[in-house]
Amino acid sequence: TQLLEQSPQFLSIQEGENLTVYCNSSSVFSSLQWYRQEPGEGPVLLVTVVTGGEVKKLKRLTFQFGDARKDSSLHITAAQPGDTGLYLCAGHWGDSNYQLIWGAGTKLIIKP
Amino acid sequence: DAGITQSPRHKVTETGTPVTLRCHQTENHRYMYWYRQDPGHGLRLIHYSYGVKDTDKGEVSDGYSVSRSKTEDFLLTLESATSSQTSVYFCATRQVSGNTIYFGEGSWLTVV
Repeated sequence: TQLLEQSPQFLSIQEGENLTVYCNSSSVFSSLQWYRQEPGEGPVLLVTVVTGGEVKKLKRLTFQFGDARKDSSLHITAAQPGDTGLYLCAGHWGDSNYQLIWGAGTKLIIKP
Repeated sequence: DAGITQSPRHKVTETGTPVTLRCHQTENHRYMYWYRQDPGHGLRLIHYSYGVKDTDKGEVSDGYSVSRSKTEDFLLTLESATSSQTSVYFCATRQVSGNTIYFGEGSWLTVV
């Protein structure tokens, strides 16, 4: 059974600080996605990483896929209150149906 | 925004009653999904659909059924609601050629 573990489960920091959240598995994924979910809404895709070692940047957010394609990290530089939300990672395995395995999420609160 | 509308958005029902949640999309996406989201569990797939009248079970399908008679509509039915089915339900869609999953805004269901 594929599992994706996200850490930390909860993080509350001050505006301007840097942070990293992690998504780990013992399984190899063909790709991994990060979504952000705000209260009362559905998740929205931030990025998809496909190649081992790949790094993608989205403004102040940096996403990295592990070399072995089993883990990923999300680093936020100079966090802002607008970054507050639930960050979910989802791993794609296999080549049919495009089913995703979801992590339980990291709830991030950025205090002004 | 894939134009996904879920109804009802909020519902309180009694144990043992049937409940139907509706998902309507305007983007002509072929694949549709029903997830439930619970604290500590992340998103869990209930059922999914490849196309009209073509559905399959996800990881937590017991007690749920689905129907898709038109491309744009995907119905989730709780045959006899139980308190363990109290949750937030998300509908999602995906294009055949894309890897982005688009989510609706969620339906909050409370079974008392």
